[in-house]
Amino acid sequence: AQSVAQPEDQVNVAEGNPLTVKCTYSVSGNPYLFWYVQYPNRGLQFLLKYITGDNLVKGSYGFEAEFNKSQTSFHLKKPSALVSDSALYFCAVRGSGATNKLIFGTGTLLAVQP
Amino acid sequence: NAGVTQTPKFRVLKTGQSMTLLCAQDMNHEYMYWYRQDPGMGLRLIHYSVGEGTTAKGEVPDGYNVSRLKKQNFLLGLESAAPSQTSVYFCASSQLVQETQYFGPGTRLLVL
Repeated sequence: AQSVAQPEDQVNVAEGNPLTVKCTYSVSGNPYLFWYVQYPNRGLQFLLKYITGDNLVKGSYGFEAEFNKSQTSFHLKKPSALVSDSALYFCAVRGSGATNKLIFGTGTLLAVQP
Repeated sequence: NAGVTQTPKFRVLKTGQSMTLLCAQDMNHEYMYWYRQDPGMGLRLIHYSVGEGTTAKGEVPDGYNVSRLKKQNFLLGLESAAPSQTSVYFCASSQLVQETQYFGPGTRLLVL
């Protein structure tokens, strides 16, 4: 069965410092991996995805994520955090089968202090 | 281009009442999904649809029904609401099953 783990409920970082939000996955076949962000009282917004190709994926708002097949990880990163990046971040995975659905992690709250 | 819209934004129900949540998308997407979001549990798929006139069960379908009579609309029904259905409900759509899902703003439901 496919699954996603976000091991940190909350990540605290100072503005201007690099940030990492961790995600590991378990799926049969080749994974499709996604990161979404949710601001308070809003829906989820798509940040980036990995389908195939380059292991480093660049997305919206300066975020990027690195796919590591051997470690089954897809960590979200940003070189310099902004206070406005504070939000809830979700990792999601879908297997390569035609009927596999998207499975979401439990979310990581990113708090960027000024 | 409004994307994915949901109505209502907020609703309070008494136990046993029924209601329908409406999701509409103007992107001509084939796939539509209903999720519920609960604290510490992420998003869980309730039902989904792979095209007009088709629906399928997701991870937590009990107590909910859905219909997709028109391609652009996906309705989620609660026939007899229970306090356990207090949640935030999100609708999403995608063109292909492996492609990006686009989410609506959510419906906050409180069942007393």
